[in-house]
Amino acid sequence: ETGVTQTPRHLVMGMTNKKSLKCEQHLGHNAMYWYKQSAKKPLELMFVYSLEERVENNSVPSRFSPECPNSSHLFLHLHTLQPEDSALYLCASSQDHFKTIMTGNYGYTFGSGTRLTVV
Amino acid sequence: GEDVEQSLFLSVREGDSSVINCTYTDSSSTYLYWYKQEPGAGLQLLTYIFSNMDMKQDQRLTVLLNKKDKHLSLRIADTQTGDSAIYFCAGLTGTASKLTFGTGTRLQVTL
Repeated sequence: ETGVTQTPRHLVMGMTNKKSLKCEQHLGHNAMYWYKQSAKKPLELMFVYSLEERVENNSVPSRFSPECPNSSHLFLHLHTLQPEDSALYLCASSQDHFKTIMTGNYGYTFGSGTRLTVV
Repeated sequence: GEDVEQSLFLSVREGDSSVINCTYTDSSSTYLYWYKQEPGAGLQLLTYIFSNMDMKQDQRLTVLLNKKDKHLSLRIADTQTGDSAIYFCAGLTGTASKLTFGTGTRLQVTL
């Protein structure tokens, strides 16, 4: 168990559906991230939350809506997705988003991902 | 921003050494990481190197960093079938704690 749990593991949804991805971390980390992993492309950072505040949104379409109700939970709400949104969505956490240089950052802890298929 | 590039595929025979290469563009990267992703799983941190180091060894893994050429490599000694996975290089840039990943190198270990 990595300490970061994502549910569901697999999700198939139609373009008119609304669904949510869930991520939970039990590591006491203060920052959480959503990444999109598509075949043969670099991991794309979608959103960054630090202390429950969104600090970065990398030009992600509004059909993806993140929510961070507390430092342990992160959601990605999905609506009216397109087939090209099919991908593996990875959640990650890190100890502190902004104090990396001072404290020494040993990387992110990733969940196992949600494999999303939009039909 | 940072660009990180890797070759897409590497095939080695069991018992041989594997060398996975990575180039990056941002010279201010402070930490560089190697992650491993097995089928159906998320990314697992394998090792990292701080930018003021040239080499780091951890059991079968050796990381080499050439800052002048902005080149990072991961050597796996005595490669086993369990090492078959996708390996991602990532750089940590600036004070924003942002990891930039490469496309990943798929390592195939043959008998």
